[in-house]
Amino acid sequence: KNEVEQSPQNLTAQEGEFITINCSYSVGISALHWLQQHPGGGIVSLFMLSSGKKKHGRLIATINIQEKHSSLHITASHPRDSAVYICAVRWVSNFGNEKLTFGTGTRLTIIP
Amino acid sequence: DAGVIQSPRHEVTEMGQEVTLRCKPISGHNSLFWYRQTMMRGLELLIYFNNNVPIDDSGMPEDRFSAKMPNASFSTLKIQPSEPRDSAVYFCASTTLSSNQPQHFGDGTRLSIL
Repeated sequence: KNEVEQSPQNLTAQEGEFITINCSYSVGISALHWLQQHPGGGIVSLFMLSSGKKKHGRLIATINIQEKHSSLHITASHPRDSAVYICAVRWVSNFGNEKLTFGTGTRLTIIP
Repeated sequence: DAGVIQSPRHEVTEMGQEVTLRCKPISGHNSLFWYRQTMMRGLELLIYFNNNVPIDDSGMPEDRFSAKMPNASFSTLKIQPSEPRDSAVYFCASTTLSSNQPQHFGDGTRLSIL
């Protein structure tokens, strides 16, 4: 079983601050997803990465395979970034099936 | 391009009734996933299909739940009989697994069992 832990659970910051959300997992993975869920409930996939770093606008995701750790960074945060950010890891079970395990999410609130 | 389409968006029904949730994946995607989200348990993978074949249904909570994918453009998740603890938001997502592309999620079906 792959244990996925996110931190912090809740984060409140002022507009413009640099934000970091962390994700750790216990078993080797084939890929890691960062998802964003807005208050309306819709889920958007932000990144999928298996090594290194990816950047999209003000969002940056990094992963360290050796340390089993990933971070999601938001630069120049804005109130519209307020959402729940969820980390999910893709891994292969002992039976050869591909699995997806989710973290519990980080609720981010950006105050104007 | 149309995204993943789920229906209905909301469903309220009485305990014991059969519930059918529907999903149309993005055209060209060969993998489809059903998820359930609750406050207590967060997001959970229920089942996923690859090329219309169920690959892993170990997340399906019990025999009351069943899922089918009769063709590449349609899938259903059925609960029979429904119970109040099945109340949740059910998401469908699709992707092309071999391409290493992210999953695209539908807007979800909010299910309430009274």
